[in-house]
Amino acid sequence: DQQVKQNSPSLSVQEGRISILNCDYTNSMFDYFLWYKKYPAEGPTFLISISSIKDKNEDGRFTVFLNKSAKHLSLHIVPSQPGDSAVYFCAATETSGSRLTFGEGTQLTVNP
Amino acid sequence: DTGVSQDPRHKITKRGQNVTFRCDPISEHNRLYWYRQTLGQGPEFLTYFQNEAQLEKSRLLSDRFSAERPKGSFSTLEIQRTEQGDSAMYLCASSLGVRGGYTFGSGTRLTVV
Repeated sequence: DQQVKQNSPSLSVQEGRISILNCDYTNSMFDYFLWYKKYPAEGPTFLISISSIKDKNEDGRFTVFLNKSAKHLSLHIVPSQPGDSAVYFCAATETSGSRLTFGEGTQLTVNP
Repeated sequence: DTGVSQDPRHKITKRGQNVTFRCDPISEHNRLYWYRQTLGQGPEFLTYFQNEAQLEKSRLLSDRFSAERPKGSFSTLEIQRTEQGDSAMYLCASSLGVRGGYTFGSGTRLTVV
């Protein structure tokens, strides 16, 4: 029962262009969503989050969009930089809970 | 603040042996979590503590797994009678409060041969 899904295992973009990473969820109790970035041999690093009362949150080059009716969120990175190359995980949690439920991850490669 | 520390970084063990991992969270964080990550998958929740109390355990945490957090500081995760299926990255994270924004450690890579 995969409650959070990232259907694209990999994404390749050119430096300077936009990267769009997608995430779908099935559990309607999820109300807080996060994106993490992970480099090899390191733990995940928190990037940006969004509450279900919002549909957009922006932090520098990173913007997360939430479409509650579609149970879909996306992370936009613009402009993409080679240092952004990493695995990106979408995660979700419920108001009453504390555990994070992660997607499978998307490997982003930004080519110079 | 030195972040979340995990020890060891790598562990190779023979099937059937017991292993123990340690996690030192950020000192002011009252919540501590253990996750497991296998290749090609996202981290899967195992258990979490608020201070010294273990508040939730995943059904992934079989009887061979036990976690402790004495005095609400560091935590240990022990796996008894290891199996090849236990080979994974074991991640520890800590947070202050309920919501995400966890800080993860670098993990312990376990290989069972």
